[in-house]
Amino acid sequence: AQSVTQLGSHVSVSEGALVLLRCNYSSSVPPYLFWYVQYPNQGLQLLLKYTSAATLVKGINGFEAEFKKSETSFHLTKPSAHMSDAAEYFCAVKFNQGGKLIFGQGTELSVKP
Amino acid sequence: DTAVSQTPKYLVTQMGNDKSIKCEQNLGHDTMYWYKQDSKKFLKIMFSYNNKELIINETVPNRFSPKSPDKAHLNLHINSLELGDSAVYFCASSQERAGGGLYNEQFFGPGTRLTVL
Repeated sequence: AQSVTQLGSHVSVSEGALVLLRCNYSSSVPPYLFWYVQYPNQGLQLLLKYTSAATLVKGINGFEAEFKKSETSFHLTKPSAHMSDAAEYFCAVKFNQGGKLIFGQGTELSVKP
Repeated sequence: DTAVSQTPKYLVTQMGNDKSIKCEQNLGHDTMYWYKQDSKKFLKIMFSYNNKELIINETVPNRFSPKSPDKAHLNLHINSLELGDSAVYFCASSQERAGGGLYNEQFFGPGTRLTVL
């Protein structure tokens, strides 16, 4: 069955430290991959998406993600965390045009001063 | 200028009541969706419409009935509300056909927090 898994429901880092949020998908064909961020009491905002033009994708707010087909992964990283990065992060996949987005369980990122 | 808007933002009601949530998008997209986010933040699609046609209907109780009067609006009506319906409901839109792409992202509204007492 097609699915997406985010390892770690909660990640805590210090301000200035590397952020790594993990996302793996399960599918016989590579899906269309997205990362969304949800700040408290708000809707979801797109961080970045994989379009097959390049395996390393740059998004907003200094985030980037690398698509690794051999590992069926699309992990999200940011070199230096800011306090304002504290939010819930969702990896999502789509398997066909017009198809639904399947979301991972979400990872709550906390940033300590 | 809000791209995807929902009303109301908060909805508190008693069990057994009927309520509606409205969604409008001004992005010119052809496809709209309803998602439910539970208390554990898990997001699951409920319905999607393309140009007023129902495309996706997940396993949702038939107490939930979406209505799309035109491609810019997708409303959600819920009959006989139950405690388990308490959640945040998100509307979203995207361009999927006629110039849309496989990589097109979905744009989300701010959510409607429904509390059933």
